[in-house]
Amino acid sequence: EAQVTQNPRYLITVTGKKLTVTCSQNMNHEYMSWYRQDPGLGLRQIYYSMNVEVTDKGDVPEGYKVSRKEKRNFPLILESPSPNQTSLYFCASGTQGSGYTFGSGTRLTVV
Amino acid sequence: ILNVEQSPQSLHVQEGDSTNFTCSFPSSNFYALHWYRWETAKSPEALFVMTLNGDEKKKGRISATLNTKEGYSYLYIKGSQPEDSATYLCAFMMSSNYKLTFGKGTLLTVNP
Repeated sequence: EAQVTQNPRYLITVTGKKLTVTCSQNMNHEYMSWYRQDPGLGLRQIYYSMNVEVTDKGDVPEGYKVSRKEKRNFPLILESPSPNQTSLYFCASGTQGSGYTFGSGTRLTVV
Repeated sequence: ILNVEQSPQSLHVQEGDSTNFTCSFPSSNFYALHWYRWETAKSPEALFVMTLNGDEKKKGRISATLNTKEGYSYLYIKGSQPEDSATYLCAFMMSSNYKLTFGKGTLLTVNP
């Protein structure tokens, strides 16, 4: 089944403790992207990648890192999470002419 | 940061009503315009991707039009049903870097 798999679905962590949210797609898509969704602010792009080893900042990249060492994986790294990074995170993938396929989301709480 | 505006923010209609929403986006540097449907507690799902000025797309009772010269797209739902209740998102893709920027969405509630 064609899908984008994010893990974990839910995570509660403490300020400053490094964490990684994984994202994997099995559709051979070139494009992958991370978004966060906050009430009243909509989906805001954190980072995106047009292909392996090619990443670029979105609109809210501060406090996040990504890597794209393989086409299928695009992990989101929070080196030192803070409470303002509490949010619902979505990974998505697509090709140049197609709509994005979204993962199921990761609800992160930083206390 | 690109400005992708959607209106109205929310809309309540009765079952059987037809409705439409607007997405406005920059008219320069255009590559594609996406529409998504996002139901509560689920993930956004792609409805349409439009790339050419004058494009019209249709899926069942839902259709969309695109005007790239003036920077707007309309989404139409004919004969709304309660299962159409969702947030409808549009997203603008730039030609220079293929960055996809979303609007804040229109929340549609269809009352039985």
